[in-house]
Amino acid sequence: GNSVTQMEGPVTLSEEAFLTINCTYTATGYPSLFWYVQYPGEGLQLLLKATKADDKGSNKGFEATYRKETTSFHLEKGSVQVSDSAVYFCALGGFSSASKIIFGSGTRLSIRP
Amino acid sequence: DARVTQTPRHKVTEMGQEVTMRCQPILGHNTVFWYRQTMMQGLELLAYFRNRAPLDDSGMPKDRFSAEMPDATLATLKIQPSEPRDSAVYFCASGLTPGEGYTFGSGTRLTVV
Repeated sequence: GNSVTQMEGPVTLSEEAFLTINCTYTATGYPSLFWYVQYPGEGLQLLLKATKADDKGSNKGFEATYRKETTSFHLEKGSVQVSDSAVYFCALGGFSSASKIIFGSGTRLSIRP
Repeated sequence: DARVTQTPRHKVTEMGQEVTMRCQPILGHNTVFWYRQTMMQGLELLAYFRNRAPLDDSGMPKDRFSAEMPDATLATLKIQPSEPRDSAVYFCASGLTPGEGYTFGSGTRLTVV
């Protein structure tokens, strides 16, 4: 079946550190891949997406590249800020017009000043 | 910015009472999801609709939960009777194209005492 596995948290970094949150997927077909972010007390927000192999999604300094050969979609940011503290969810979907999005379990990120 | 509106934001109720949560999807979006989020279980898909027709409600306890879309501007999730284990944050999300991702509301935090 289709599934998403992401790095367990919590992840704690100092401000300006480099961030990587790993995400791998299993899918039959060619899904779109997403990263969502959830700030405390809020709903999930779409952070970035990639719809086909080798696409790079980017937003707010975050990047992720759709790697079909390694079935991965790792989230990276070169220099994190305290305001990036949140829970990050990797997800896949878009197999068909009737398909749902499958979420990973989420990774909590805390940034120390 | 277009947004998904959920009401109420918070609800505290006694065990056995009926609870109704409402969602106004973004105008023009034809797919609506209901998710439940808890610390223990993470994000769980309860049900989703496309063009107001239910596509999958297998994640929902059928004996007490029901989800409907009486019209294109309103989705409802009802729990009757409510139980303490239903305490969670309930999110609604809407979208148009699966490959584009979905927009989440801010959620309804339900506490059943």
